[in-house]
Amino acid sequence: GENVEQHPSTLSVQEGDSAVIKCTYSDSASNYFPWYKQELGKRPQLIIDIRSNVGEKKDQRIAVTLNKTAKHFSLHITETQPEDSAVYFCAASFPGGGADGLTFGKGTHLIIQP
Amino acid sequence: DGGITQSPKYLFRKEGQNVTLSCEQNLNHDAMYWYRQDPGQGLRLIYYSQIVNDFQKGDIAEGYSVSREKKESFPLTVTSAQKNPTAFYLCASSIYNLRQGAEEQYFGPGTRLTVT
Repeated sequence: GENVEQHPSTLSVQEGDSAVIKCTYSDSASNYFPWYKQELGKRPQLIIDIRSNVGEKKDQRIAVTLNKTAKHFSLHITETQPEDSAVYFCAASFPGGGADGLTFGKGTHLIIQP
Repeated sequence: DGGITQSPKYLFRKEGQNVTLSCEQNLNHDAMYWYRQDPGQGLRLIYYSQIVNDFQKGDIAEGYSVSREKKESFPLTVTSAQKNPTAFYLCASSIYNLRQGAEEQYFGPGTRLTVT
């Protein structure tokens, strides 16, 4: 089955700086890569996603890049703000595997220092 | 937010008791899922269901059972056979995203179960 590794487990950055979270996946058939943000005590919320036929996708201050050859994808947050503090999860699913459930990374706790 | 509800938010049980967690969705989603979240472990799939009256085991199904008698409902029972039941349980449902060619999952608010 799919295996997703996520790094780092904790990331502390100064407000206004950029943050980058990286994930690798094992199944080359995976074609859908969402990122979820989970604030303390709340449900995970989908913030951005990318499919394998696209190398990069941007939405305001967040962007995701995908390198299919290396089987890794990254979340980039620019001009970080206090409200970006949360746990971020990457995930991967493969064709027909959506209903099997996504395979999640273990999460990155992002801390924005004022 | 909205569309997927879980109840209760907090649940306390004594060891050896079965307990059922509720999950309801009014999004007309076909697929529903149960995940368990432990600190440092991310989200792990317990069970999923693609259609009514059908469900499949996920990665950590032992000690859990589910039913899918209605499209809107996917209750999870944590049995006394589950060795470490204390955790945060998240229900999700999904819709096929035509643009992405994949299924986007939406999560409920979660139930925190504590077994003592």
